Amino acid sequence: DGGITQSPKYLFRKEGQNVTLSCEQNLNHDAMYWYRQDPGQGLRLIYYSQIVNDFQKGDIAEGYSVSREKKESFPLTVTSAQKNPTAFYLCASRMSRSTDTQYFGPGTRLTVL
Amino acid sequence: QKEVEQNSGPLSVPEGAIASLNCTYSDRGSQSFFWYRQYSGKSPELIMSIYSNGDKEDGRFTAQLNKASQYVSLLIRDSQPSDSATYLCAVRAGGGNKLTFGTGTQLKVEL
Repeated sequence: DGGITQSPKYLFRKEGQNVTLSCEQNLNHDAMYWYRQDPGQGLRLIYYSQIVNDFQKGDIAEGYSVSREKKESFPLTVTSAQKNPTAFYLCASRMSRSTDTQYFGPGTRLTVL
Repeated sequence: QKEVEQNSGPLSVPEGAIASLNCTYSDRGSQSFFWYRQYSGKSPELIMSIYSNGDKEDGRFTAQLNKASQYVSLLIRDSQPSDSATYLCAVRAGGGNKLTFGTGTQLKVEL
């Protein structure tokens, strides 16, 4: 069963805590992306990675970190430096070279208590 | 100025009518254009992509691109209540690997 999985679906965090959101894909896609969505706003790019062991900052990278040690995995850590982390987080992937279409995982809804 | 602009709506249409959703973009070098549908609380799902000027049809959906006027639109024929969702326009600038998203248009199809 191919696709993009994100876990957990819902996550609650206390202020000052770091949390890591998981994103896994078995589509053999090269590129992976993390977006944040707030109510009434479009998707904003946090980080993206086009190949293993390489990633670039997006438009709102402050307070976030990522790693890309394996092709199929691109975890996102929301650090305590992110001042307003409550949002819907979406992971996407894209098969590089042949297409620029991005496909999304189901998302993780993070709430800071 | 926002790079990709959409009317937030809601756009209300009766069942069976044509829904017309519009999107304008600021980067004249943009190469690729996408429409995603997003149901409340869910992730976006791709409806259509379009790369060349003109119309592209897929079932009840037609995407229209006019690069000279820098707009892309999505027509939904025979609108159904299940089409009620937020429609996101996304644009890839020339030479880049990133998509820029509009804020979405909420569509409501009424019985």
